[in-house]
Amino acid sequence: GAGVSQSPSNKVTEKGKDVELRCDPISGHTALYWYRQSLGQGLEFLIYFQGNSAPDKSGLPSDRFSAERTGGSVSTLTIQRTQQEDSAVYLCASSLAGPGAGHNEQFFGPGTRLTVL
Amino acid sequence: QKEVEQDPGPLSVPEGAIVSLNCTYSNSAFQYFMWYRQYSRKGPELLMYTYSSGNKEDGRFTAQVDKSSKYISLFIRDSQPSDSATYLCAMRGMRGGSNYKLTFGKGTLLTVNP
Repeated sequence: GAGVSQSPSNKVTEKGKDVELRCDPISGHTALYWYRQSLGQGLEFLIYFQGNSAPDKSGLPSDRFSAERTGGSVSTLTIQRTQQEDSAVYLCASSLAGPGAGHNEQFFGPGTRLTVL
Repeated sequence: QKEVEQDPGPLSVPEGAIVSLNCTYSNSAFQYFMWYRQYSRKGPELLMYTYSSGNKEDGRFTAQVDKSSKYISLFIRDSQPSDSATYLCAMRGMRGGSNYKLTFGKGTLLTVNP
């Protein structure tokens, strides 16, 4: 079956512009996660959704970052007034169930490579 | 000090070699330990996971967890050029905010030369 998909695969933008990154999770997966992978920094957790609710936004770096999820499916990560330090690969993952379900594999999408000039 | 430390390498080995990758961590609440493989320009894919301490084997791959030392390892036997990738360790706890949030090492870039 189809895996996690993300769009666009690459995005180049100018400093100060807003960008929207999209994630389509695996069908039926209730939990969705966003991570950021910066050069030399590894993957960092940004936000977690259970259904359409985001009980944990603790990893969002600033109030310029926001995310939403609709219909328990597609999620959009929005970065306003982009800065050069926002340049990174933004990865989305989904899992079948939420916390407390034992091992709960997170399946990752291919990521969106964001470059802020 | 980061919660999870992983030598970024790069690591270059000849085909057929045994590869040893490892991570150390500081958070004693971590209970699930995972190894992901990430090919260039792709998302990470889960290779193996281990709950608590112990060993787990899957084909040419063996994962070891030593919670007393806060040290985890991944061994690759008879390494192949197709194993060339970045290997990421990841871990999480079982309670509260740590039971879904994966904490990753920076990844080790491995190249297996034919």
